[in-house]
Amino acid sequence: AQSVTQLGSHVSVSEGALVLLRCNYSSSVPPYLFWYVQYPNQGLQLLLKYTSAATLVKGINGFEAEFKKSETSFHLTKPSAHMSDAAEYFCAVSPLNTNAGKSTFGDGTTLTVKP
Amino acid sequence: DTEVTQTPKHLVMGMTNKKSLKCEQHMGHRAMYWYKQKAKKPPELMFVYSYEKLSINESVPSRFSPECPNSSLLNLHLHALQPEDSALYLCASSQDGVRAAYGYTFGSGTRLTVV
Repeated sequence: AQSVTQLGSHVSVSEGALVLLRCNYSSSVPPYLFWYVQYPNQGLQLLLKYTSAATLVKGINGFEAEFKKSETSFHLTKPSAHMSDAAEYFCAVSPLNTNAGKSTFGDGTTLTVKP
Repeated sequence: DTEVTQTPKHLVMGMTNKKSLKCEQHMGHRAMYWYKQKAKKPPELMFVYSYEKLSINESVPSRFSPECPNSSLLNLHLHALQPEDSALYLCASSQDGVRAAYGYTFGSGTRLTVV
């Protein structure tokens, strides 16, 4: 069975500072991995995805994430935070095997950006 | 068209009412999903339709009844709901199928309040 853990339910950074949101997964084989962002009163939007091509994945809005198999991690980073990055961020995993079931979401991390 | 459209955006209903939520996508995606999301929580899967057939029902109470009239449309019929069913209801679609290996495209959701 797969699972995903997001370390830190709340992260606060200053505008212009590095953003680091942590995600670790548990799966018998490396799964597909995703980061989604959710702004207040909106649906989730796909930021980026890892599907076993490059280990460093670039997404929208200047975000990127690195897949590290040895650490079973897929942390999300952005070099310089902007006020508009304040939102809820969800890490998710999907199984590699077509018949292995559905996607699983982490509990989410609320990112606050201070002026 | 790269969107999932949900209507209505807001819905207030009494516990004896019958209402329906609607979802539409024209991306040719093969799977469509209903998720329920409470405040500050990750989305919880309710139903999955794959190729217009119900693939997953996550033991959802029968007062929620899904329907997939065709490959572009997904409905969620609501009857005799309880106040604890108040939540954001999200529709999503995926290109491949149940496991969403390429990620989800989410609608903006219906904010449901049961009074």
